[in-house]
Amino acid sequence: DGGITQSPKYLFRKEGQNVTLSCEQNLNHDAMYWYRQDPGQGLRLIYYSQIVNDFQKGDIAEGYSVSREKKESFPLTVTSAQKNPTAFYLCASSDRVSDTQYFGPGTRLTVL
Amino acid sequence: QKEVEQNSGPLSVPEGAIASLNCTYSDRGSQSFFWYRQYSGKSPELIMFIYSNGDKEDGRFTAQLNKASQYVSLLIRDSQPSDSATYLCAVRVNRKLIWGLGTSLAVNP
Repeated sequence: DGGITQSPKYLFRKEGQNVTLSCEQNLNHDAMYWYRQDPGQGLRLIYYSQIVNDFQKGDIAEGYSVSREKKESFPLTVTSAQKNPTAFYLCASSDRVSDTQYFGPGTRLTVL
Repeated sequence: QKEVEQNSGPLSVPEGAIASLNCTYSDRGSQSFFWYRQYSGKSPELIMFIYSNGDKEDGRFTAQLNKASQYVSLLIRDSQPSDSATYLCAVRVNRKLIWGLGTSLAVNP
């Protein structure tokens, strides 16, 4: 069953903690993306990776970090430097041919 | 500044009617155009994409692209209450998508 999985579905973080959000895909897609969505706002790109061992900052990368050690996996770490991390985080992947992005189910992060 | 603009709505239509959703974009270099549907609390799901001027139909959905006027639209025929959602327009520029804020659609039984 091909698709994109994200875990956990809900995550609660205390101020000052780093947390890591998981994103895995078995679609054999080369490119992967992390977005953040806040109420009333559009999708904002955090980081993206077009190939293993390479990634680029998106529009709002400050306070976040990523790695791309495997084609299937693109974890996102929300660091304590991110001042307002409460949001809905979406991971997506796309193939080289169509560049059509497909999304995972999302992780809702809440800072307590 | 590359922009994609959508009317936020809410757009309200009766069941069985045609819903028309519009999107304008600023970058003439935009290469392809996508419509996604997002239910409340869920992730976006792809409805369809279009690359060339004209119409593209997929079931009850038709995407229309006019590059000269820089707009893309989505028509939903025979609207159903299950179509009630936010519809996101996205435009590809180079290897990234530029997203609109979405239009909220309510289909009333």
